[in-house]
Parts: sequence; C-alpha cells; structure tokens
Amino acid sequence: EDQVTQSPEALRLQEGESSSLNCSYTVSGLRGLFWYRQDPGKGPEFLFTLYSAGEEKEKERLKATLTKKESFLHITAPKPEDSATYLCAVSNAGGTSYGKLTFGQGTILTVHP
Amino acid sequence: GAVVSQHPSRVICKSGTSVKIECRSLDFQATTMFWYRQFPKKSLMLMATSNEGSKATYEQGVEKDKFLINHASLTLSTLTVTSAHPEDSSFYICSAQLGGGAPWETQYFGPGTRLLVL
Repeated sequence: EDQVTQSPEALRLQEGESSSLNCSYTVSGLRGLFWYRQDPGKGPEFLFTLYSAGEEKEKERLKATLTKKESFLHITAPKPEDSATYLCAVSNAGGTSYGKLTFGQGTILTVHP
Repeated sequence: GAVVSQHPSRVICKSGTSVKIECRSLDFQATTMFWYRQFPKKSLMLMATSNEGSKATYEQGVEKDKFLINHASLTLSTLTVTSAHPEDSSFYICSAQLGGGAPWETQYFGPGTRLLVL
C-alpha cells in the first residue's frame, strides 16, 4: 500500500527565515510526486510535479526536490502570505492504484511578520 | 490555464433531501475527473474516479447509491448526494486531469463545496 508521510505537522517561521518541509513516500513504481498548497476553506492549488529522482523545480520562493525516498519543499525568505497547508501526494501507475493520488497529512506553515 | 470551478460553493439542506454539486474544467478538456472528501484538519480522501462517458469507479467503502456521479461531457462532472444525512456534511472537492494525458498527469482542483446537512 502506498504511504506518504509529511513532517513536520506544523511549522512556525519568522518572515525571512528559510526552512524545508519533508515528504517521505513508499510506493511501488512512482509515476509522479505532487506538491499542492491549500488555504483554509479552499481547494488545493497546484505547485509542482516531479517525475524522477534528481529532478528540481522552482517557483518564486519555493523549490521542490526529489530523491528515491523523499521530497523536500524548500522555502526561501518566506513571507506571511506563504502561510498555508502544504500537501504532498504520489501517483502510482500500477495495479488498482492506477492514476490515483495518495496524499500526506500536510504541513501547516505559519509565517509571522 | 487549468482552471476548475465548482458550484455551489456552499449548500445547506435538510436531512433526506438530495444535493447536486457541479465540477467544470473551464479552459481544458478533462477525460478524467476525481471526487474527494475532506474532513476538518484532515487530508483529502478519494471517493471516486469519473471518466467521460463511462461509469464512475468508487473507492472501497464509498456507497455508490448514495454518491451518484455523472461525467456527461469532457468539461462537466456532477456529484449528487442522495437522501443526505448529517454525517454527509463535509467539504467536497473535485479535480480534473488534462484530456489525453497519462493517468499520472497533474490533477487540478476546484475550490470545493461545503455541504451542511441539518
């Protein structure tokens, strides 16, 4: 069974204090790892898709990296508007899990001014 | 690009009534759409996978007769909660994949529908 574990559960940062969120996964045949941002009462907003170990993607203050066992979401010099829940999900192209996303529990990020 | 809308955003209904939620891909065609349910402070739980023109595939434990899904076109999927009860109160979110893409292609999510059953 596919498993995704995110850590920490919650992270409080001061504005400008860089940090990283972790997503560890166990999946038989990773097809894609996805990062989403979710604000309270809203649907997840797509951030990145990573397909293979060694891949990196950047968008503004965010950078996502992928290894064979985990992914990191690095946040550089965060601002209060980066406060949200960050969700990691994996897709498995095998068996009954074909195309489905398995989500982690999320990391709640709070950035104080 | 890749915008998904849901309607309504919030609905309150009486126990025993049925509620229909619409999910639309606004600027792309979606061969596959997904329906999720999210409880407070919990992650998303997949309810069913919907393919245009065919029957939906439900996850284990999801009652197909209670949660009716129709994917009538490449831009519209609907979820009908039949004979709703208070325990069906939740946040329902749909997602859509670009038509013709691989099953592991990125899913784009709608804004969600908050259902409250009294």
